[in-house]
Amino acid sequence: AQSVSQHNHHVILSEAASLELGCNYSYGGTVNLFWYVQYPGQHLQLLLKYFSGDPLVKGIKGFEAEFIKSKFSFNLRKPSVQWSDTAEYFCAVNVVSSNTGKLIFGQGTTLQVKP
Amino acid sequence: DGGITQSPKYLFRKEGQNVTLSCEQNLNHDAMYWYRQDPGQGLRLIYYSQIVNDFQKGDIAEGYSVSREKKESFPLTVTSAQKNPTAFYLCASSMFVSYSNQPQHFGDGTRLSIL
Repeated sequence: AQSVSQHNHHVILSEAASLELGCNYSYGGTVNLFWYVQYPGQHLQLLLKYFSGDPLVKGIKGFEAEFIKSKFSFNLRKPSVQWSDTAEYFCAVNVVSSNTGKLIFGQGTTLQVKP
Repeated sequence: DGGITQSPKYLFRKEGQNVTLSCEQNLNHDAMYWYRQDPGQGLRLIYYSQIVNDFQKGDIAEGYSVSREKKESFPLTVTSAQKNPTAFYLCASSMFVSYSNQPQHFGDGTRLSIL
């Protein structure tokens, strides 16, 4: 069965530090990739997505992610985090051949940014 | 504003009782989904529906039931057969499912607890 793995469960950073959250998936076919963010008390919202083309995608609030097909990875990055980035981050994969919108989510990473 | 409305925000279930969680969307989306979120496990798909009067089991459908009588509504019933129902339940929707690169939009969730 397909799965998504997020290596970091809880990350603590100081403001202005750089961020990289890992995401790997286990499926050899074509996938669509997403990062979602859940700020405290808010609903899950889309951060960025990759469907095709340039493997480096930019999202909202200065986030970006790079799709490395050979490594089955889609890591999330931000050069300088802010206290307002404190949230839970989820990587998700859609298997194109399923012909559905079903998403497989990773376990999530809780990011705590200290002011 | 378009969006997804889940109700109630908090719900308590007695032993042996069925409870129904409401999910309504006014985004004119074709597909709707129910996820269960548990700490450290990410989101797991319970059921999804690609079109009115049709729905499919997700990864953890046992103890749950759904209906899709209207495009905008996708209620989830947690039955007494679900032995560990305490969780945060999220409803989502997306555009026509064949275009699987459409991101899902999420509601604010319902937190279900056992009395």
